[in-house]
Amino acid sequence: GAVVSQHPSWVICKSGTSVKIECRSLDFQATTMFWYRQFPKQSLMLMATSNEGSKATYEQGVEKDKFLINHASLTLSTLTVTSAHPEDSSFYICSAIMGDSNTEAFFGQGTRLTVV
Amino acid sequence: GQNIDQPTEMTATEGAIVQINCTYQTSGFNGLFWYQQHAGEAPTFLSYNVLDGLEEKGRFSSFLSRSKGYSYLLLKELQMKDSASYLCAVKDSNYQLIWGAGTKLIIKP
Repeated sequence: GAVVSQHPSWVICKSGTSVKIECRSLDFQATTMFWYRQFPKQSLMLMATSNEGSKATYEQGVEKDKFLINHASLTLSTLTVTSAHPEDSSFYICSAIMGDSNTEAFFGQGTRLTVV
Repeated sequence: GQNIDQPTEMTATEGAIVQINCTYQTSGFNGLFWYQQHAGEAPTFLSYNVLDGLEEKGRFSSFLSRSKGYSYLLLKELQMKDSASYLCAVKDSNYQLIWGAGTKLIIKP
């Protein structure tokens, strides 16, 4: 199957700093990428949908100025958590779909963010 | 609103069979997915159903009834490594994935 690489796998940062998470589709062109957040023992919560070359579409309640998403190419999307706070500590996961594929989404490995 | 329901937790015995149910109410339907998620890891794809009926893939099978808004994931010959959370997700009319909360499956020897 297609491979999506997410980096870093885990990161610890100080409160008030910014953290960038990368999501790359290694062997296919991902026209659409999704960013999810998952708190312990909860399901995946969609944060935003990112289409190459256009602004991301954020879900209700997600601050676009705090969670900056850039999808500059068909193989790379980045999520930057700005001015991180302890409550932003979570498991962040990206996924990508090929073109207009109506089948499976391919997931990155996830990033465990801990803000101290 | 959109809603997907699945049991929070289930326990089964190694070598046995377990069925995990999922019911959904969504705005439109463009397919139902089952994913497996081990703790601290990203979900991995198990199955996709868009038409009514049973899809079999090795030890795992998935069933869909669109008229009833119902699906189940059937796991046979359970192994200890099957201990994980199983997520049901539906693509709505906007092709957006709506996720269930997941069912934590505990396998006992």
